[in-house]
Amino acid sequence: DVKVTQSSRYLVKRTGEKVFLECVQDMDHENMFWYRQDPGLGLRLIYFSYDVKMKEKGDIPEGYSVSREKKERFSLILESASTNQTSMYLCASSPGTTVADEQFFGPGTRLTVL
Amino acid sequence: QKEVEQDPGPLSVPEGAIVSLNCTYSNSAFQYFMWYRQYSRKGPELLMYTYSSGNKEDGRFTAQVDKSSKYISLFIRDSQPSDSATYLCAIGPRAAGNKLTFGGGTRVLVKP
Repeated sequence: DVKVTQSSRYLVKRTGEKVFLECVQDMDHENMFWYRQDPGLGLRLIYFSYDVKMKEKGDIPEGYSVSREKKERFSLILESASTNQTSMYLCASSPGTTVADEQFFGPGTRLTVL
Repeated sequence: QKEVEQDPGPLSVPEGAIVSLNCTYSNSAFQYFMWYRQYSRKGPELLMYTYSSGNKEDGRFTAQVDKSSKYISLFIRDSQPSDSATYLCAIGPRAAGNKLTFGGGTRVLVKP
C-alpha cells in the first residue's frame, strides 16, 4: 500500500513566520506534488517535482518555495506566512511511469495563519 | 473561465437513488479523465480513470466521457450512505509531466 504522510494535521502560525510543511512517501515514486485546497476552488497545484532536486512551478507558486533533497521527501516552504495562505495543503506522489499515473494523496495539513 | 468546471453542490439524495455528477472542460488537448473521491478530513483517492469517449463501468460506478462536448460524468447506482463524500473530476495531462487539472468538487450526501 502506498503511503503518503504529512508532518502535521493542523498547524497554526502567525503572519510573517517561516513555515515548513513536510511530506514523505514510501513507494519510491518519482513525482511529488503540493496542492492547496480551498472551498469552491478545488485543488490548485503549487509546485511539483519529477526528480530529486528538480522542481517546477504550478499554477500558484507565489509566496511558496519547495525542496526535494531526497526522493522520498518533498517540503513546502512559506517564506513569510500571510493570512491568505490559510488553507488545506495536500501532498501527492505518483510513480512517473506514464503521463496519466494515479496520484496518491496524503491526509492534508490544515494551516491557519493568524 | 476555469479550465474545469464542476457544480459544488451539495447534492443530497436518498439511499438507493442514482447520483449523477458532471464536469465540463475547455481544453480539447486533455486526454485522461479521472474521478477522485474525498472523505471528510482525508486526502482524495482515485475512484475511476478513463481516456476514451464512451462509458466505463466498475461495480456501481459508471464514468462517461463525451470529448466532442468536453463533458464528463460519473454515475453512482444504488447509492449508499458510505458514498457520502466530495467527488472531484481531474483531467490531464497538461503540456508535460503528470500534472492534472482538478474541478472544484461536488459534495454528495446520501441519506439513509
